[in-house]
Amino acid sequence: SQQGEEDPQALSIQEGENATMNCSYKTSINNLQWYRQNSGRGLVHLILIRSNEREKHSGRLRVTLDTSKKSSSLLITASRAADTASYFCAAAGGGGSYIPTFGRGTSLIVHP
Amino acid sequence: DADVTQTPRNRITKTGKRIMLECSQTKGHDRMYWYRQDPGLGLRLIYYSFDVKDINKGEISDGYSVSRQAQAKFSLSLESAIPNQTALYFCATSFGGFGDNEQFFGPGTRLTVL
Repeated sequence: SQQGEEDPQALSIQEGENATMNCSYKTSINNLQWYRQNSGRGLVHLILIRSNEREKHSGRLRVTLDTSKKSSSLLITASRAADTASYFCAAAGGGGSYIPTFGRGTSLIVHP
Repeated sequence: DADVTQTPRNRITKTGKRIMLECSQTKGHDRMYWYRQDPGLGLRLIYYSFDVKDINKGEISDGYSVSRQAQAKFSLSLESAIPNQTALYFCATSFGGFGDNEQFFGPGTRLTVL
């Protein structure tokens, strides 16, 4: 079963707009990660937020984490056509293994 | 050169054939993983290895086996391929221990079983 579940499944916006994707998870986590995948290619790590952090920034990316609601969001500001990709959250639980469990992803299309 | 490489990149085979997918990494990571990706289902973990002597089943290990030949090499085998194993397969690596564990992915192998 998948620990992370993204919402929406698909998102279509115009260049310059902000894109927000949400992720919900089921059990306690050590950290939550966001990845990007261009069509048919390997995933690329974007950002990791630890369970004791509430917000993190990296360039145009902003990630928030609400452990009380077991949810996270990824905000991409001022989207560009090159941001078109699928975005996955991966929740890494405790128990010593810290293996991320991936959701089904959000497909983002940014129209020029 | 890429840090995580996979061979082959594409493979078409027939039902019942034995197939091996190979993964090599130059990142010096202890941990290696095999995932499959199907449309609409995200990534599902097949097997993972924390070091050469530690191999573990993931969520969907039935029909698959693995071999960790060295720290840098982790192979996935389909002993008798079936059509529903048609998918995109990814190898990934990460640091071990209790620190941040971001994963580094290979480019993927697209496998088609006819």
